[in-house]
Amino acid sequence: AQKVTQAQTEISVVEKEDVTLDCVYETRDTTYYLFWYKQPPSGELVFLIRRNSFDEQNEISGRYSWNFQKSTSSFNFTITASQVVDSAVYFCALREWYTGNQFYFGTGTSLTVIP
Amino acid sequence: DGGITQSPKYLFRKEGQNVTLSCEQNLNHDAMYWYRQDPGQGLRLIYYSQIVNDFQKGDIAEGYSVSREKKESFPLTVTSAQKNPTAFYLCASSMAQGDQPQHFGDGTRLSIL
Repeated sequence: AQKVTQAQTEISVVEKEDVTLDCVYETRDTTYYLFWYKQPPSGELVFLIRRNSFDEQNEISGRYSWNFQKSTSSFNFTITASQVVDSAVYFCALREWYTGNQFYFGTGTSLTVIP
Repeated sequence: DGGITQSPKYLFRKEGQNVTLSCEQNLNHDAMYWYRQDPGQGLRLIYYSQIVNDFQKGDIAEGYSVSREKKESFPLTVTSAQKNPTAFYLCASSMAQGDQPQHFGDGTRLSIL
């Protein structure tokens, strides 16, 4: 079974629109960590944010915000006032405490921001 | 600057040939990983290593081999047994602690001649 599901394969928005990328995860562990990465066309994955299972506080960083809800096992990512430079593939990932070093990635959401 | 270096950036393989992708990190990370990415797909884990001289198979290890003789280095060999090797290969590393993210290299794009 897929531990991390990103149901949106591709999204297109017009510049300055807000967009939310969904991430749903599955784990039996009570201690776990969630991550978002950005993969621009150049290919390297860039780390954006980390959240642990004990911290449900939402976070805002500039135009980026993250909504972590344990009740729905979701860790959604919102970009406000999108820009062309936000065009990339975004990955959500899960790391469980008991499996140690293994990371589980979703299949990614390809975001295209149209000028 | 600390980081992960993958080389080469582009690699071509002939039929029946083994090729080795290099991955070096100077982040002093314990764990290292190899992923394969196909167009429009996510990351699939090939192998990972938590400490020197130890590694575990991931979801798609068949046709690949690795070694971890040094903490800094985790080369991946794509053997002739891997019948469909054309893909983008990403190397990553992380600290052993659970809340630390992975850091990624720039990737190697492997194609068949």
